[in-house]
Amino acid sequence: DTAVSQTPKYLVTQMGNDKSIKCEQNLGHDTMYWYKQDSKKFLKIMFSYNNKELIINETVPNRFSPKSPDKAHLNLHINSLELGDSAVYFCASSRQGLAYEQYFGPGTRLTVT
Amino acid sequence: QQPVQSPQAVILREGEDAVINCSSSKALYSVHWYRQKHGEAPVFLMILLKGGEQKGHEKISASFNEKKQQSSLYLTASQLSYSGTYFCGTVRANNDMRFGAGTRLTVKP
Repeated sequence: DTAVSQTPKYLVTQMGNDKSIKCEQNLGHDTMYWYKQDSKKFLKIMFSYNNKELIINETVPNRFSPKSPDKAHLNLHINSLELGDSAVYFCASSRQGLAYEQYFGPGTRLTVT
Repeated sequence: QQPVQSPQAVILREGEDAVINCSSSKALYSVHWYRQKHGEAPVFLMILLKGGEQKGHEKISASFNEKKQQSSLYLTASQLSYSGTYFCGTVRANNDMRFGAGTRLTVKP
């Protein structure tokens, strides 16, 4: 059974489009995260939700909007995509907050042309 | 502000040891360590909470010096499977988490 899953695995789109990435975890965790990993492998936390409540909201363009319909799902919607948005986006989950280990999804490689 | 990891890269022969360091200029609540292989997701290794603890996991252990805001990851008798990029993630009390730039470890036969 996949613990943290993301769809799609690859996403190629043009500048200006809007796209969404979906994430689901079946670990029963309360906290979920979105990370961006750029071409230099730098890993940066973007958002974190604890039981559907936003608890971390780093400085990212407001074109990025997370949505958590329930504690097992955290989706990422990106409006007006730009070239600089090209990266690998990882979803992760942990039992409850940053004091616990995080389990990462397989990642979504987003390429904006 | 992201933590500083050193070295940036290290090459070992199987059986050799390595130490990866992670330091922060801010007071820390905890330090996470993850390993990422090429094309894969980061995988959790261990967490150290403030209190200056040391943890071990087979031949991989880590320490956390709270006063110096430093953590070190120790890899002993390295195996080929240890190859990958190691990231430390530092957590401050205000839910601020930052990752270091990573240390690329290559273990050769």
